[in-house]
Amino acid sequence: NAGVTQTPKFQVLKTGQSMTLQCAQDMNHEYMSWYRQDPGMGLRLIHYSVGAGITDQGEVPNGYNVSRSTTEDFPLRLLSAAPSQTSVYFCASRDRAKGTEAFFGQGTRLTVV
Amino acid sequence: AQTVTQSQPEMSVQEAETVTLSCTYDTSENNYYLFWYKQPPSRQMILVIRQEAYKQQNATENRFSVNFQKAAKSFSLKISDSQLGDTAMYFCAFLLYNTDKLIFGTGTRLQVFP
Repeated sequence: NAGVTQTPKFQVLKTGQSMTLQCAQDMNHEYMSWYRQDPGMGLRLIHYSVGAGITDQGEVPNGYNVSRSTTEDFPLRLLSAAPSQTSVYFCASRDRAKGTEAFFGQGTRLTVV
Repeated sequence: AQTVTQSQPEMSVQEAETVTLSCTYDTSENNYYLFWYKQPPSRQMILVIRQEAYKQQNATENRFSVNFQKAAKSFSLKISDSQLGDTAMYFCAFLLYNTDKLIFGTGTRLQVFP
C-alpha cells in the first residue's frame, strides 16, 4: 500500500515552460487536493476534487490547471511557469466517508528560474 | 471565512522538557475538526493529533495533548518529555464539518536542544 505518491521530488523549470506534477493514491479516496507551501505562509489550497470528473478551485488557483479522470490520479499542470510559482507542492487525499485525516505525498520542490 | 493563526514562528525547548504551541482560529460554525500536523526535515506531513469540536474532552496521543477551548477558539498543543525527534515544523489545521477545505496556519518551527 503506497499511499499518496508524488513525482517528481525536485524540478527546475525555466520561466514560460510547462510541466505536470503527478499525484496518485491507491486508497480509493474520493477527495484529492493540491497545496503549495511557502515560507511564512503555511500550506495554501490550490485546487481540489471530490471525485472523478469533479474539480474546484481553492485559495490560490491562478496559473494552475487540474483534471480528475480517474479516482487514483490528480495531476497539477503549470501551463507557463513563473518565478512566483517557486514553492513546495503537496498532494493530499482523504476518505470523506470514513474520516477526516488527510494523507500527504512527500512533496515536490519546484524552482522556476 | 475560516482562518487559523499560529502566533509563534519559532520555539525552542530542552530535551525532556515540556513545550506548548499556540493556535487560534476563527469560525462562526459549530461543527468542525482541528488538527496538528508535524513536518520534520524530511518534508513529510504527519498527523499528530485530531480534535472534534463537539467533544469536550481534550485529545491525547502519548506525549502529545491538546488544550481545546471552544469558546475562546483556541487549540494549543502540549508536547511532554520533548525528544530530539520532535524537532520539526508544526501546523495547526481546521476542517469544517461536511466540507473538504483543510485550512492551515502558518506553522511554528520547534527546535529541541540536547
